[in-house]
Amino acid sequence: SQTIHQWPATLVQPVGSPLSLECTVEGTSNPNLYWYRQAAGRGLQLLFYSVGIGQISSEVPQNLSASRPQDRQFILSSKKLLLSDSGFYLCAWTPSSYEQYFGPGTRLTVT
Amino acid sequence: AQSVTQLDSHVSVSEGTPVLLRCNYSSSYSPSLFWYVQHPNKGLQLLLKYTSAATLVKGINGFEAEFKKSETSFHLTKPSAHMSDAAEYFCVVSDLATDSWGKFQFGAGTQVVVTP
Repeated sequence: SQTIHQWPATLVQPVGSPLSLECTVEGTSNPNLYWYRQAAGRGLQLLFYSVGIGQISSEVPQNLSASRPQDRQFILSSKKLLLSDSGFYLCAWTPSSYEQYFGPGTRLTVT
Repeated sequence: AQSVTQLDSHVSVSEGTPVLLRCNYSSSYSPSLFWYVQHPNKGLQLLLKYTSAATLVKGINGFEAEFKKSETSFHLTKPSAHMSDAAEYFCVVSDLATDSWGKFQFGAGTQVVVTP
């Protein structure tokens, strides 16, 4: 069966520090991968999606970037965090173009 | 363009009574529709999906939803609420005719509170 992992589960970082969040999927190949952010009291915002290695599309211009160095690995990064980057970050994958399956999330607090 | 509206931001029900979460969508073609549940500090879990098969869709944990094209609705119901149903619920639409890579449009969410 397929599983999706995210780490770390929680992270507290000072303003101006770098960020790296990792997402990996097991048990499938060539999935579509997605990064979402969920700010407090708000819905989900799609940040990036990828349909293959090295193929990244950005939905919202911001302080973040994404990379897909391997088929089942998706990384969210920032060179310098802002306070507004705080939130709950969710990675998701889809086996097709129908349902998406979500990881457990990373709670990021920027101080 | 596709969009989804969840008509209630908060719903409060007593344990053992029915639950109704309302969702209306807008889509230019034949949409796929989903309901997800999110417990605090957890990822989203798929409850059920509609992808142009039967209009009455049964999901996990006793939930079901009915696709009504004439009303552009996809309401989620459960006959008897359980304390463990307290969570946030998201209605989602995806339209493969306009987004072949499966872009999701999320509703704003409905917070469900279950009282003993």
